[in-house]
Amino acid sequence: KQEVTQIPAALSVPEGENLVLNCSFTDSAIYNLQWFRQDPGKGLTSLLLIQSSQREQTSGRLNASLDKSSGRSTLYIAASQPGDSATYLCAGGPGYSSASKIIFGSGTRLSIRP
Amino acid sequence: ETGVTQTPRHLVMGMTNKKSLKCEQHLGHNAMYWYKQSAKKPLELMFVYNFKEQTENNSVPSRFSPECPNSSHLFLHLHTLQPEDSALYLCASSQGQENSPLHFGNGTRLTVT
Repeated sequence: KQEVTQIPAALSVPEGENLVLNCSFTDSAIYNLQWFRQDPGKGLTSLLLIQSSQREQTSGRLNASLDKSSGRSTLYIAASQPGDSATYLCAGGPGYSSASKIIFGSGTRLSIRP
Repeated sequence: ETGVTQTPRHLVMGMTNKKSLKCEQHLGHNAMYWYKQSAKKPLELMFVYNFKEQTENNSVPSRFSPECPNSSHLFLHLHTLQPEDSALYLCASSQGQENSPLHFGNGTRLTVT
C-alpha cells in the first residue's frame, strides 16, 4: 500500500531563510506529483504540479523537484516570508488511472517568524 | 464566480439530524471528489464522480450518501452521523485524466454533537 511521509512535520524559521520540505513515497512509481498549501480552516491551494514528463517545476520563489527513481520530492522555498506560513502537503499518483488514486501526505506545518 | 465553491462553511448537527453539503465547480471539469480531513491525518478520499458517474467509493459508511446531478454540482447527504465524523470535508474537481491537477474548495467544517 502506498504511503507518503512528509518531513519535517513542523518547521519554524526566521524570515528570509531558504528552506526545503521533503516528501517521500513507499512506492517510487509516482507518475505525477502536486504540492499544495493549506491555510488554517481553508481548503488546499495548488502550488506546483510535476507531470509525468517533468522532473521539476518553478513558480516564483518556489521550486519543486521529483526524483522518480527514489520516489522523493522536495519543495524549495527561497527567501521565506511570514505570509508563507501554512501547512504544505504533497500528493502523488501512480498514473495508471485518474486522480482518484492520488495519495496525500500529512503535511509540514511551516511558521515563518518576522 | 470561478473555482470550487462549498456551502455551508460551517455546520453543527446532532446525531439524529439530516443535512447536506454542497459543492459547485465553475472550471468545466469532468471529475469531482469528496475528501475528509481529520486532525493530524492525511486527506482521505471518500467518493469520486467522473462524468456524473460514481467511479469510486472508498468503503465509506452508508450514513454518507453522495449525489452528482451534473458535472458541476456535487452533494454529500448526511444522516445519523457519529461524533467521530466531525472533520473538514473538502470537495475537489479535475479534468479526470492523468496529469490533471486537483482544485479544492474551502471545505465545510462539520461538528457532530
